[in-house]
Amino acid sequence: AQSVTQPDIHITVSEGASLELRCNYSYGATPYLFWYVQSPGQGLQLLLKYFSGDTLVQGIKGFEAEFKRSQSSFNLRKPSVHWSDAAEYFCATTSGTYKYIFGTGTRLKVLA
Amino acid sequence: DVKVTQSSRYLVKRTGEKVFLECVQDMDHENMFWYRQDPGLGLRLIYFSYDVKMKEKGDIPEGYSVSREKKERFSLILESASTNQTSMYLCASRRDRWDSSATNEKLFFGSGTQLSVL
Repeated sequence: AQSVTQPDIHITVSEGASLELRCNYSYGATPYLFWYVQSPGQGLQLLLKYFSGDTLVQGIKGFEAEFKRSQSSFNLRKPSVHWSDAAEYFCATTSGTYKYIFGTGTRLKVLA
Repeated sequence: DVKVTQSSRYLVKRTGEKVFLECVQDMDHENMFWYRQDPGLGLRLIYFSYDVKMKEKGDIPEGYSVSREKKERFSLILESASTNQTSMYLCASRRDRWDSSATNEKLFFGSGTQLSVL
């Protein structure tokens, strides 16, 4: 069955430090992969997505993610974190229907 | 951009009450969803509607029902609220048009309703 796993429940980084949030997927065919962000008191907002082509995808707010088929991963990265990046981040996948599968989320804390 | 509006940000209800959560989207999207968000469990799909008066059960439909009489509005109903339904409820919508490039594919979310059942 299709699934995504986010192994880190909480991550704390200092402002200005680099960030990598992990996501592993399980799906036989080419997956469609997404990263969403949920700021406090808000709904989820799409950061970026991968469907095909270039395995390094750029998103909003300076985020990028790299699709690695050999590792079944789609990790989210940012070279320099800002305090406003503190939020919860969700990896998600779909097979091309309405059915989206979300990971359990990673809560990011940013230290000043 | 698409706006998905959930009628209440916070809601407190008593056990056994009938509860209505309302969601409205303004971009003529065919598909609408209700998710439940709990710490450590991520988002779980309760119900999905792919068009007016059409609905499908998601992964956790027990204790819930839905109504979609108009395209823009999707209501979640808790027939008899219980304490284990205390949660954050998120509504989402998307255009029902999938292609392999899917450049516009994404879910649009409301801000959520935090429901407490006492």
